[in-house]
Amino acid sequence: DSGVTQTPKHLITATGQRVTLRCSPRSGDLSVYWYQQSLDQGLQFLIHYYNGEERAKGNILERFSAQQFPDLHSELNLSSLELGDSALYFCASSALTSGGQETQYFGPGTRLLVL
Amino acid sequence: AQSVTQPDIHITVSEGASLESRCNYSYGATPYLFWYVQSPGQGLQLLLKYFSGDTLVQGIKGFEAEFKRSQSSFNLRKPSVHWSDAAEYFCAVGSNTGKLIFGQGTTLQVKP
Repeated sequence: DSGVTQTPKHLITATGQRVTLRCSPRSGDLSVYWYQQSLDQGLQFLIHYYNGEERAKGNILERFSAQQFPDLHSELNLSSLELGDSALYFCASSALTSGGQETQYFGPGTRLLVL
Repeated sequence: AQSVTQPDIHITVSEGASLESRCNYSYGATPYLFWYVQSPGQGLQLLLKYFSGDTLVQGIKGFEAEFKRSQSSFNLRKPSVHWSDAAEYFCAVGSNTGKLIFGQGTTLQVKP
């Protein structure tokens, strides 16, 4: 158990709908990263938040957005869903060590199926 | 551009035999390197990491990896594989923005 929790574990929805995925980082970690894992694209970085502020964006679609709340949990919002959005969505949390090194610990993921 | 290549999509090893899973990276600065394992239906578990220092890194479950700067490689090894090691293994490099760049993964099958 990494200490990172994600809910829900599974999500089935229809095209055009909107869903929210939730992530709680390990106690004390200020950074949250979101990744998407799909068969054709592999593991891709989506977005990074640090202590409530967006730090970096990857290949995240405009239909997707995220935020990190004062209690440090994060939500990934996916809207106008398409079949191709079906994937496993991971969040990871990390704490910076001295020297700028960080290790990311991953949650169990949310498996999204868009029908 | 930063990238990670895992040349072996699939590896089959007999139980008790040794494993080597290859990883090559492309990164301009000193890389931070990681190996993660994903069992079916599970999340990613950190096996080991390299930041600096000793180039032979020990991890959990008896895994080790060796950083070779001259070859831009960070190959994962295990002397004796167990059936429970069957999983997908991902090599990753940490970028200067913090995000991880992953290889495509290597699926390990263990024969009894």
